[in-house]
Amino acid sequence: RKEVEQDPGPFNVPEGATVAFNCTYSNSASQSFFWYRQDCRKEPKLLMSVYSSGNEDGRFTAQLNRASQYISLLIRDSKLSDSATYLCAVSPYGGATNKLIFGTGTLLAVQP
Amino acid sequence: SAVISQKPSRDICQRGTSLTIQCQVDSQVTMMFWYRQQPGQSLTLIATANQGSEATYESGFVIDKFPISRPNLTFSTLTVSNMSPEDSSIYLCSAIDATNEKLFFGSGTQLSVL
Repeated sequence: RKEVEQDPGPFNVPEGATVAFNCTYSNSASQSFFWYRQDCRKEPKLLMSVYSSGNEDGRFTAQLNRASQYISLLIRDSKLSDSATYLCAVSPYGGATNKLIFGTGTLLAVQP
Repeated sequence: SAVISQKPSRDICQRGTSLTIQCQVDSQVTMMFWYRQQPGQSLTLIATANQGSEATYESGFVIDKFPISRPNLTFSTLTVSNMSPEDSSIYLCSAIDATNEKLFFGSGTQLSVL
């Protein structure tokens, strides 16, 4: 089983739609969780951290479910500019190593 | 927030040769990492670049193939040695931003090996 797994998609949604992605992780001791956005031929950029209490930033909401070992990303009112690959990242270790394991990414295509 | 300058941005190399990728951070960072992203794949961690000591390699990666230097807190290099077409990939350096303790990336090096 991979350490971090995502549905690769693509998710094709119309503008204005709400879309959600999940990401599962295998190490129950994982400490930190993140969502990154990667545009074509660009480096990944941090979208948001995922906290136990959930995290909301505008149209984006991230949640953590430790019992089921997954994190989710919800995008409301999708925009064309949201089209990208969304990578989840998990730090399997505590402390200060901050080494991240990435999922394969979920491709989102928002259609006009 | 901190910025990483990575170069070269792309290169086309002959098999059997070596390429060194450089990353310069505009501020001191404690942790630097090197990742590889093969076509259609996600990021795979190659190693942690340790300042002043040997890098810590992940399973499947060895120092002879991917020697790494980190002479100070703002600079690191990754060399891809004795290249083969299977090494064709995007190589990304990354670091932990001291202001927010989050991982951020250089712009990547697109390597093609013929």
